[in-house]
Amino acid sequence: DAGVIQSPRHEVTEMGQEVTLRCKPISGHNSLFWYRQTMMRGLELLIYFNNNVPIDDSGMPEDRFSAKMPNASFSTLKIQPSEPRDSAVYFCASNLDRVYGYTFGSGTRLTVV
Amino acid sequence: DAKTTQPPSMDCAEGRAANLPCNHSTISGNEYVYWYRQIHSQGPQYIIHGLKNNETNEMASLIITEDRKSSTLILPHATLRDTAVYYCIAAPGGYNKLIFGAGTRLAVHP
Repeated sequence: DAGVIQSPRHEVTEMGQEVTLRCKPISGHNSLFWYRQTMMRGLELLIYFNNNVPIDDSGMPEDRFSAKMPNASFSTLKIQPSEPRDSAVYFCASNLDRVYGYTFGSGTRLTVV
Repeated sequence: DAKTTQPPSMDCAEGRAANLPCNHSTISGNEYVYWYRQIHSQGPQYIIHGLKNNETNEMASLIITEDRKSSTLILPHATLRDTAVYYCIAAPGGYNKLIFGAGTRLAVHP
């Protein structure tokens, strides 16, 4: 199994541009989670899906952030417009049943200049 | 989810057992104790989880006190590759969100 696949690994963009982060969960997993990690705030849960349906988006910082999961094998996190304070590492994770633990991707390091 | 408290940092000599404590005095009956670790710049990695009984797998052992108010993660023979931030989380089973705290930064030295 290739694990949770995130792309791109690194993204550098200018303030005001749209950024799209992508995630392919492990086949068969039915829950997907987006986290953001910064030195100041640690790991923050942004949103999670179950069976492709958003369950809790209370961690999404503001309307500039949106996430979709059009099917069981793909999710996107979009930031529009991006700002320097969005710079962080964004992780995607999936699981079938949390009793067995989440599997995290390698993350996307986003830098907004 | 119940709040957990961990020491911010710990040291361990290579080859010795690393014992990482976690307090979760407000844990509910349906909440599991989960342990994850994050090696520098990588995504967090699941280690082990437990409800009441002690658990062991190929990575570690989890000791939960009888009153379930605290637990200890044991890495029996720590190696340099075990240097990481270790997170203890108390949360219900089933799909749900996991909230990560600051964790314990474990440094394994030669």
